[in-house]
Amino acid sequence: SQQGEEDPQALSIQEGENATMNCSYKTSINNLQWYRQNSGRGLVHLILIRSNEREKHSGRLRVTLDTSKKSSSLLITASRAADTASYFCATALSNTGNQFYFGTGTSLTVIP
Amino acid sequence: ETGVTQTPRHLVMGMTNKKSLKCEQHLGHNAMYWYKQSAKKPLELMFVYNFKEQTENNSVPSRFSPECPNSSHLFLHLHTLQPEDSALYLCASSQERGTGGLLTSGNTIYFGEGSWLTVV
Repeated sequence: SQQGEEDPQALSIQEGENATMNCSYKTSINNLQWYRQNSGRGLVHLILIRSNEREKHSGRLRVTLDTSKKSSSLLITASRAADTASYFCATALSNTGNQFYFGTGTSLTVIP
Repeated sequence: ETGVTQTPRHLVMGMTNKKSLKCEQHLGHNAMYWYKQSAKKPLELMFVYNFKEQTENNSVPSRFSPECPNSSHLFLHLHTLQPEDSALYLCASSQERGTGGLLTSGNTIYFGEGSWLTVV
C-alpha cells in the first residue's frame, strides 16, 4: 500500500512530558503533512514539510523528515491535556499529483 | 471553522434509500476530495476533483456517485448502500497549481467536520 504508517498506534503520557510519533512511507514524496483529529471531528492541518526540508518547527511542534529512511517524526513538547487526539501523517506522492494518503494514526492521550 | 462545511453531520439511512452528502468550501480552492474513515482503517481517498473535473476514482463502488457542479461544491450521492458503508465521510479542499489534470504541488488540504453515515 502507499499510505503512511504511524507508530506507535497508541501513546499515553503525563501532562508536561514530550510526545513523539513516527511515520514511515514507501515511495518518493513531494511533501509530508501531519494532521490532528479530535474524536469524531474533521482533521486539522498541523504542519507541512517538503521533501527538500529536514526539520520544521511550529510552536510546540517539531517535525523531522528523513527521505533516505522514508520516515518522519512529530514531536509535541510540554504536552497538555488538550493535545489528546489522534495524529495522522499524510504523504503527497511524487507521481500522483494532489492525492494524499493517510495512515491509521497515533492515538495520543495526555493525562492531566 | 476550516472553511469547509459538510451537511448533514449525521445521517441514518436504509439500504434501499437514496440520499446525498453535501460539501461546500469557502476558501476559493480548485481541488476537492471525498475521504472515507472507518474504524481501525486508514483514511481512504475516494474521489478527487480538480477544476470541477474528476481526476481520480479509487475503485469506489458505483453505489457512491460524486458530483461537482462548480469548484465550491461537492456532493456524494448514495444509493443502495450496505451496512459496511457506515463510516465518517470527510470532504476536503486544497489550492493546487497547474492547469487541471494531474497537479503536482501537494499543498495543505483543509477538511470539513465530516458526515457520520449509518446504514441500517
